[in-house]
Amino acid sequence: DAMVIQNPRYQVTQFGKPVTLSCSQTLNHNVMYWYQQKSSQAPKLLFHYYDKDFNNEADTPDNFQSRRPNTSFCFLDIRSPGLGDAAMYLCATSRVEGWSEAFFGQGTRLTVV
Amino acid sequence: DAKTTQPNSMESNEEEPVHLPCNHSTISGTDYIHWYRQLPSQGPEYVIHGLTSNVNNRMASLAIAEDRKSSTLILHRATLRDAAVYYCILRGGAQKLVFGQGTRLTINP
Repeated sequence: DAMVIQNPRYQVTQFGKPVTLSCSQTLNHNVMYWYQQKSSQAPKLLFHYYDKDFNNEADTPDNFQSRRPNTSFCFLDIRSPGLGDAAMYLCATSRVEGWSEAFFGQGTRLTVV
Repeated sequence: DAKTTQPNSMESNEEEPVHLPCNHSTISGTDYIHWYRQLPSQGPEYVIHGLTSNVNNRMASLAIAEDRKSSTLILHRATLRDAAVYYCILRGGAQKLVFGQGTRLTINP
């Protein structure tokens, strides 16, 4: 059974129209991550939560926001998507300890038209 | 974030062992060495991790240098399904999991 579920798998949005991507987990992990991955590049960390403590990467654009209403769910909001935001968005979870493995969802591929 | 260095690409033949190197000269005492791989069109998946001692699991082995400044992921008998991008990542107590560029592994039939 999938333990980190991302919905939808594919999302098409219009230039400038707000879009929300969702992630849920059944592992009860206290850390959740959002990554952006463009073609032939490594996943780039956008931000992560440790419980409700939000940690933004310094180079994450203000256009990207996130919400974590409870342990199981996390959302990525793109306020005004541009063509350059088209990418695969990956959600992952882990425990906080350094030895803890991370579990990834299958990703949401975002297309901006 | 402690940095890792990996070759951009490697190539091997099916059913032969593969040794994927990773340098991490700035590793701190509390950093664990993690390896993940990403198959085409999928999210990354965990492969193995270690702290100081060599580790084995059903997928691979991890050999860690005595000074911990480098490590090697070993696939004992590569199959075509092992073709992926392999990432070596250091993870300490800061919760973050930051990917480097990884090694693209090609397996020849």
